[in-house]
Amino acid sequence: GQNIDQPTEMTATEGAIVQINCTYQTSGFNGLFWYQQHAGEAPTFLSYNVLDGLEEKGRFSSFLSRSKGYSYLLLKELQMKDSASYLCAGYDSNYQLIWGAGTKLIIKP
Amino acid sequence: DGGITQSPKYLFRKEGQNVTLSCEQNLNHDAMYWYRQDPGQGLRLIYYSQIVNDFQKGDIAEGYSVSREKKESFPLTVTSAQKNPTAFYLCASSITGQPYNEQFFGPGTRLTVL
Repeated sequence: GQNIDQPTEMTATEGAIVQINCTYQTSGFNGLFWYQQHAGEAPTFLSYNVLDGLEEKGRFSSFLSRSKGYSYLLLKELQMKDSASYLCAGYDSNYQLIWGAGTKLIIKP
Repeated sequence: DGGITQSPKYLFRKEGQNVTLSCEQNLNHDAMYWYRQDPGQGLRLIYYSQIVNDFQKGDIAEGYSVSREKKESFPLTVTSAQKNPTAFYLCASSITGQPYNEQFFGPGTRLTVL
């Protein structure tokens, strides 16, 4: 079956670095997204990876390894406003987007 | 300002009643989507439309219906046949239905069926 796995919850300290992992098992692969969702709000786009490697966007970076079916989102210099859920979603060979349940990130002062 | 609007934000209905959730976008996007989000689960696709007057069932279409008569509008009807309709419903759009296009989400409608 098709599946996206990510940890349910993580805690980190303001100013620190955190890595949120995502593993996927899909029939084929056509790219992986990361979205941020604050409680009760709409998800907002963070990154899209289709090739192996690291893509950096300011404090946020996303990494993909297609051979390992693995991605991570790296958040640096954590701020309290980064407290949110982070959703990993992958496209399979039928261009269907499969979503993970999300990782709730709690930032402590 | 361009974006996606959903209304209302909160909706209460009695069991057995049909209810229609509104979704409008002024981004000139071809593709639109409806998702359902339940606690502890990933977003699940209900219906999607890649072009006006055309739509396809997603993973959990039973008990739901949609229409796409206008490019900017994609309303979702939750029928009485939907066994467990209480959920957070999200509408999204993208420039096209191609996988590399990010999806833009509306603020969501939280439906509670009493």
